[in-house]
Amino acid sequence: GENVEQHPSTLSVQEGDSAVIKCTYSDSASNYFPWYKQELGKGPQLIIDIRSNVGEKKDQRIAVTLNKTAKHFSLHITETQPEDSAVYFCAATTGNQFYFGTGTSLTVIP
Amino acid sequence: GAGVSQSPRYKVAKRGQDVALRCDPISGHVSLFWYQQALGQGPEFLTYFQNEAQLDKSGLPSDRFFAERPEGSVSTLKIQRTQQEDSAVYLCASSDSGQGFSAFFGQGTRLTVV
Repeated sequence: GENVEQHPSTLSVQEGDSAVIKCTYSDSASNYFPWYKQELGKGPQLIIDIRSNVGEKKDQRIAVTLNKTAKHFSLHITETQPEDSAVYFCAATTGNQFYFGTGTSLTVIP
Repeated sequence: GAGVSQSPRYKVAKRGQDVALRCDPISGHVSLFWYQQALGQGPEFLTYFQNEAQLDKSGLPSDRFFAERPEGSVSTLKIQRTQQEDSAVYLCASSDSGQGFSAFFGQGTRLTVV
């Protein structure tokens, strides 16, 4: 099955700085890569996603890049704000079953 | 509804009890997923429905776990004879695509088995 690794496990940045979270996957057949933000006591919230026929996607302060050859994808958050503090999960799927990374706890320091 | 709704939000069960967890997906979403999330971990797949058909149940950890979606909308995850290792947050997600693209999660049910 698919194996998704996520780094770093924790990340602290100053407000206004950028944050980058990286994931690798093992199954070259994976074709969809969503990113979820999870706040304490809440369910995961879809923040951005990318399909395997696209190399980069941007939505305001959030962007995702995908390198199919190297089998890795990254989340970039620019101009971070305290409300960006949460746990972020990457995921990969070949079909209906998502394989999640182990999460990155992001803290934005005001 | 506006989002995926799960009930109850919290459930405490004595070891050996049966529990039933409910999921109301977003109206019209054909795909429904159940995931289990242990503390500090990413969600792990349990099962997947497309309408009323359970197309994948490979993630269910034992035959004590059973899920159904009889009319293709509301789904129930049932756990029989609960054990302490079943303690986790159970998440439901739904999608309007047949492949889980843009899946939206509910807030989850936190199950504690004592």
